[in-house]
Amino acid sequence: SAVISQKPSRDICQRGTSLTIQCQVDSQVTMMFWYRQQPGQSLTLIATANQGSEATYESGFVIDKFPISRPNLTFSTLTVSNMSPEDSSIYLCSALAGVDTQYFGPGTRLTVL
Amino acid sequence: GENVEQHPSTLSVQEGDSAVIKCTYSDSASNYFPWYKQELGKRPQLIIDIRSNVGEKKDQRIAVTLNKTAKHFSLHITETQPEDSAVYFCAARNTGNQFYFGTGTSLTVIP
Repeated sequence: SAVISQKPSRDICQRGTSLTIQCQVDSQVTMMFWYRQQPGQSLTLIATANQGSEATYESGFVIDKFPISRPNLTFSTLTVSNMSPEDSSIYLCSALAGVDTQYFGPGTRLTVL
Repeated sequence: GENVEQHPSTLSVQEGDSAVIKCTYSDSASNYFPWYKQELGKRPQLIIDIRSNVGEKKDQRIAVTLNKTAKHFSLHITETQPEDSAVYFCAARNTGNQFYFGTGTSLTVIP
């Protein structure tokens, strides 16, 4: 199994600013992902965080808006840049432990005013 | 990318009855299908999963079936209890190990 922590757990930000979310896993994992979950909605995959190389983004998400780092096998960051109220959401990181099982962090609840 | 559809969006059952949630997927190469339970304000938790080379899997009151030909899979919960009330998500994993989620089913078990 994998235990995942995220910081911050929540934040309230002003329009036009940026927020960096950190994700820490307690063991080395092969893959890490970032999702967005708007209230009452499903999870939407933003990108796959690749260790030592650029992240792989899903359709509709771009690096300039959501830069991602993954410097090692246990840590990743997601930055939400130039925020607008439409970016208000819960951001979840996850990690693939073993062959199949995906574990999730507790999420970061972001409110943009 | 993969497209996963999930039905119904809401489901209410009497305690002790069964609940069934159905999902379809579009990418025939998808090879792994997990189900997650998410309680309000909590992270999704894996409750059961099935690989593409298996047709059915059961774990106590929970079972999942997979029809690869039809590209659909279902979650079955028997003898439902109030603590089963939550939002359930199906997902499909593609060959690149990306996971795509269904739209969710809000299950309410009425005591």
